[in-house]
Formats: sequence, C-alpha cells, structure tokens
Amino acid sequence: DAGVTQSPTHLIKTRGQQVTLRCSPISGHKSVSWYQQVLGQGPQFIFQYYEKEERGRGNFPDRFSARQFPNYSSELNVNALLLGDSALYLCASSRQGNTEAFFGQGTRLTVV
Amino acid sequence: AQTVTQSQPEMSVQEAETVTLSCTYDTSESDYYLFWYKQPPSRQMILVIRQEAYKQQNATENRFSVNFQKAAKSFSLKISDSQLGDAAMYFCRHREAGGSNYKLTFGKGTLLTVNP
Repeated sequence: DAGVTQSPTHLIKTRGQQVTLRCSPISGHKSVSWYQQVLGQGPQFIFQYYEKEERGRGNFPDRFSARQFPNYSSELNVNALLLGDSALYLCASSRQGNTEAFFGQGTRLTVV
Repeated sequence: AQTVTQSQPEMSVQEAETVTLSCTYDTSESDYYLFWYKQPPSRQMILVIRQEAYKQQNATENRFSVNFQKAAKSFSLKISDSQLGDAAMYFCRHREAGGSNYKLTFGKGTLLTVNP
C-alpha cells in the first residue's frame, strides 16, 4: 500500500500570495491531520479532519484553512503568506482520529 | 495543557555503542500514550517505538527500548548498537489515550549524530 503522499514536495512563494498543499492518506484512513514544523522545532498541530469534518484546530490564524474531500484526501490553504510561514508542512493520516498516525514526507514551503 | 521537554538539543554516539535520549512530559491524565519518532534528512516522520501508560513493562523494538518512569513523567529512548542509519532528529510525543491526534504534543527534538 502506498503511504501518505503530499504534493508538491517543495514550493517557493512570495509574501502576500496564497498557497494550497495537498495530502492523500493511506487507503482506508479517514482522518487527516496537518502540522507545521519550523526549522529546528517539533511539529505544531494545525488541523485535524475526520470524515470530512473539522475535529480540531491548533493555535493558527484564520489565514490557515483546510478541507477534506469525499475520498478523504485533504488540502491545506494559507492566504496572505508571511515570511514566518516558511516551514515544512506535514500531513498525517490515521484510520480514526485517535489511532496511530502515519506521516507523509512533507511539503517544504519557502516564502520570500 | 501537556508539555513535552527534550533537554538535549544534540547528542552524538560512536557506531556500535549505546546512547540514551531523554524526554520528560507533564500531564494531568492517568492514561496516555508516549512515542518516539525519528525524522531523517528525508523529512519523513517515522515511528520508532510507543508505550502505553497503563503498561508497566518497558517497550522494546529490536535495538530500541524505552525507560518509562510514570511517577517521574520520564520517557527515555535507548538505542543499542548504534548504526550510521540511526542518525536523525528524534522527537518525543505525548497523546491522551482517549483524545484525538490533535491533542498530541511533540518535544523540540534531539539531533543524533552517529560517528563511524
């Protein structure tokens, strides 16, 4: 089975632009979570979706939004990008919201 | 709120030797899970080992084992017979037993270098 896949792997954006990151969960997994990992730090929780509904939100501004599609894939959107949004964005999937999470390889976002 | 503290930003070990990475956490819950993840330069977060708080026996996975001290809220990772491929960032993670994955907290990580 394929693992969690994220696209794109790398991305460079300009301040003020908008970005969409994509995540495909492991087959059979209905929950997707998003994390931001700034260089040298541990991952910080952004969102969790389960069965297409938002089940949790971390301490991030409203510029960050997400959604989950009927096939359980997910998109993370960030509007009005700031330099501080530069980070590795990780997606993790699990069968349910409270079962073991498996991570993708992440999308490296650089805002210039 | 839960906190996870990894007090060693960097550690190094000689190949074939043993190294211990420390982790302490703070929680008011009695039932929870603890994890160690490895993040190599490829960036993918890989689960190394997990421990259920209700289990007294320390978890082991091949060369990896933990020393779980519930009263002290300590959860250290021991890597035996270190290999070059063990070089990576290691993150300790806490999650409430009944909670969703959003109620999990990562430490800031320990960078492990393995010297040949």
